[in-house]
Amino acid sequence: EAAVTQSPRNKVAVTGGKVTLSCNQTNNHNNMYWYRQDTGHGLRLIHYSYGAGSTEKGDIPDGYKASRPSQENFSLILELATPSQTSVYFCASGAAHWGQNTLYFGAGTRLSVL
Amino acid sequence: QQNVQQSPESLIVPEGARTSLNCTFSDSASQYFWWYRQHSGKAPKALMSIFSNGEKEEGRFTIHLNKASLHFSLHIRDSQPSDSALYLCAVGTGGNNKLTFGQGTVLSVIP
Repeated sequence: EAAVTQSPRNKVAVTGGKVTLSCNQTNNHNNMYWYRQDTGHGLRLIHYSYGAGSTEKGDIPDGYKASRPSQENFSLILELATPSQTSVYFCASGAAHWGQNTLYFGAGTRLSVL
Repeated sequence: QQNVQQSPESLIVPEGARTSLNCTFSDSASQYFWWYRQHSGKAPKALMSIFSNGEKEEGRFTIHLNKASLHFSLHIRDSQPSDSALYLCAVGTGGNNKLTFGQGTVLSVIP
């Protein structure tokens, strides 16, 4: 089965600090995504990428940046973390034409911003 | 912007019951319809998908899609305690190439 690995699994950050969440996939999928999950909101798309060097804004990109340096790696960057960014973050990968293809999710990163 | 809503928010059923979960969407151009399942503390995992009007069955699970009504549903036959999880519906369109998730339904199956 497709493998998506996230690190760290848990992170505590201070308000105003910089946070980087990392994601690695070994599926050779073109597309990668960052979602956040909050109770009552399901999964909301932050940023996504169609391949190395590309990043696109999702539905809630404010306060987040993304970086896709290679096919395998996709990072989510919080330059100035705020308590409202406390959440569980999921990375996913998928083949092209993502509506038609399964998304494979990592195990998630639980972020607390104090 | 696509609006995807699920009902009910939560559901408790006895083991062996038939369970129905609902999902409505707002964009009539939607083409791809998915159900994902997420056990507590785990990653979401794709359960089933349907891309054309009608019904699709896989084991104990059946999806019904009615595009005209902007509605699709997941039915679970002979519900098991292992089916207890958060169920997320997701809808995609061919144009903007985005998959939008609903807020989820928490299912608890009681032995």
